[in-house]
Amino acid sequence: EDQVTQSPEALRLQEGESSSLNCSYTVSGLRGLFWYRQDPGKGPEFLFTLYSAGEEKEKERLKATLTKKESFLHITAPKPEDSATYLCAVKDRDDKIIFGKGTRLHILP
Amino acid sequence: NAGVMQNPRHLVRRRGQEARLRCSPMKGHSHVYWYRQLPEEGLKFMVYLQKENIIDESGMPKERFSAEFPKEGPSILRIQQVVRGDSAAYFCASSRQGGATDTQYFGPGTRLTVL
Repeated sequence: EDQVTQSPEALRLQEGESSSLNCSYTVSGLRGLFWYRQDPGKGPEFLFTLYSAGEEKEKERLKATLTKKESFLHITAPKPEDSATYLCAVKDRDDKIIFGKGTRLHILP
Repeated sequence: NAGVMQNPRHLVRRRGQEARLRCSPMKGHSHVYWYRQLPEEGLKFMVYLQKENIIDESGMPKERFSAEFPKEGPSILRIQQVVRGDSAAYFCASSRQGGATDTQYFGPGTRLTVL
């Protein structure tokens, strides 16, 4: 069964303290891995799509990487406005999207 | 360039009533997806529609739930005879083409509370 596991469930960092969020997946025929950011009371906001192992994408302080079993979302020198829940999702060979439960990130000023 | 629009943003219903949730996709998008999110849970896929067609409803409960995406107007998720367990946030997403490489963009959600 396709599965997406995100860790840690919650993470508190000081402003400027870099870290990584993990997304481990088991999927039949990966057709894409997606990262979204979700703020409280809002819908997920698209960040990145990765398609193949070795691929990397960057946007401001965020960098997403992909291997055959997991993806990392690296946050460099985070700011309080980076506080949010970060969601990982995979698309399988049937074009079904499966979401993880997310990592709640809190950046302390 | 308006994003995905959902209304109402908040909906309160008593047990046994009907709930209708509406979703207008982004301009140029013809594929619509509905998801449900429970507290502390991930987003769960419910149904995938194109105009006038249900493509995949494998995540939809067999009873009381239905969805449509008519030729004109928004997509509708309809929940009949709501129960307390239906309380959740319901998100709609849209994409331009569907398929492997297409990205889904989400609306702000409708938060349904069943009293």
